Amino acid sequence: DAKTTQPPSMDCAEGRAANLPCNHSTISGNEYVYWYRQIHSQGPQYIIHGLKNNETNEMASLIITEDRKSSTLILPHATLRDTAVYYCIAGFYNQGGKLIFGQGTELSVKP
Amino acid sequence: NAGVTQTPKFQVLKTGQSMTLQCAQDMNHEYMSWYRQDPGMGLRLIHYSVGAGITDQGEVPNGYNVSRSTTEDFPLRLLSAAPSQTSVYFCASSRVGQPGSAKNIQYFGAGTRLSVL
Repeated sequence: DAKTTQPPSMDCAEGRAANLPCNHSTISGNEYVYWYRQIHSQGPQYIIHGLKNNETNEMASLIITEDRKSSTLILPHATLRDTAVYYCIAGFYNQGGKLIFGQGTELSVKP
Repeated sequence: NAGVTQTPKFQVLKTGQSMTLQCAQDMNHEYMSWYRQDPGMGLRLIHYSVGAGITDQGEVPNGYNVSRSTTEDFPLRLLSAAPSQTSVYFCASSRVGQPGSAKNIQYFGAGTRLSVL
């Protein structure tokens, strides 16, 4: 699995877009990028994942650079309930997956 | 829909005691795993299973045993608890699919908060 690097913390104003970066410069061609978040000691929650194309779902958008060495998770209109630790994970999962969590980014959404 | 259920939610043990953390899922998921999370840290994988009768070690398996006799249940055993095992434990499950498949999305339980004195 590729090592990922994320900033330890970020702030965002409520209603604004939150852009969370992730560096995965050692990612291989068949490894996917997954994002999970953990809200205050709850179990982690899946957000989105992708390989090389940009992805969007009801929760967020995922932008992966053309060289795949980095990605950005975008929460288009952050709310106070989006305050959480966000984990970026890169790996090749064909058996459920051994998620390897890093330190993540602690996002604080402020009113 | 219960999803992934962990019991107990809280537990206090004395050093040397044994106990089993329970994890059950009702989604017919093949894959199940256990993680621990220490204060201010990310999650670390303890053990995982890709199906009944099959288990394997993760990053931090020492001091823990697992077995998988049914698809639904994946208990985690502490044979002789140590203060270093004070942590929050999360169980997760998923289907098993091709790389990138939504089947590989993992669903987590609410956690068991364990203190070993």
